[in-house]
Amino acid sequence: EVTLVESGGGLVQPGGSLRISCVASGFSFSSNWMHWVRQAPGKGLVWVSRISSDGSRTTYADSVTGRFTISRDNAKNTLYLQMNSLRDEDTAVYYCARVEALELNSWGQGTLVTVSS
Amino acid sequence: QLVLTQSPSASASLGASVKLTCTLSSGHSNYAIAWHQQQPDKGPRYLMTLSSDGSHTKGDGIPDRFSGSSSGAERYLTISSLQSEDEADYYCQTWVPGIRGVFGGGTRLSVL
Repeated sequence: EVTLVESGGGLVQPGGSLRISCVASGFSFSSNWMHWVRQAPGKGLVWVSRISSDGSRTTYADSVTGRFTISRDNAKNTLYLQMNSLRDEDTAVYYCARVEALELNSWGQGTLVTVSS
Repeated sequence: QLVLTQSPSASASLGASVKLTCTLSSGHSNYAIAWHQQQPDKGPRYLMTLSSDGSHTKGDGIPDRFSGSSSGAERYLTISSLQSEDEADYYCQTWVPGIRGVFGGGTRLSVL
């Protein structure tokens, strides 16, 4: 069974940093592109970032470019999102998702990041 | 600019059918999309991929009650024999090729 478990969310002040993680199991993690998608409270899903299976290629939404960094450790089956210079509008539940056959076909349960003073 | 447009809400009675719509912006009518379901307080769940010709491939374990169809720039998700657990938010999603993902605003389905 494919499982994605996010962690590391919490309360952080504006301008602060946080790293969230996603541990994968039940599939060959090193073979799949991975994505982060976020959802602000009461709002819809918004794509954030993606990373290739070997970690060599990354892409970001305009709203996070220069502030967020996606990475992965295939030996640990873990996906990361380093978030710097956090803003109020980054408050959201962050989901990791696996791509298979070009689709986001497996999702985690999410981790809540709250940016507030 | 690639935009996916969904109605904010829909409702239908228990046991009935409902058809949700996702509209692709001008110039993108040939794009395939995916449908995702998000039940209250849960992570999203992949339902299916839907091509411009109406062919669709469903995710593992998705019931036959869920089907997709297409007409021009519109992509549809039809849910038949509605059950209480179908009450959820439904999102369509596609890709700007090689660049980023794009989601529609979502449709909240109420089962009466």
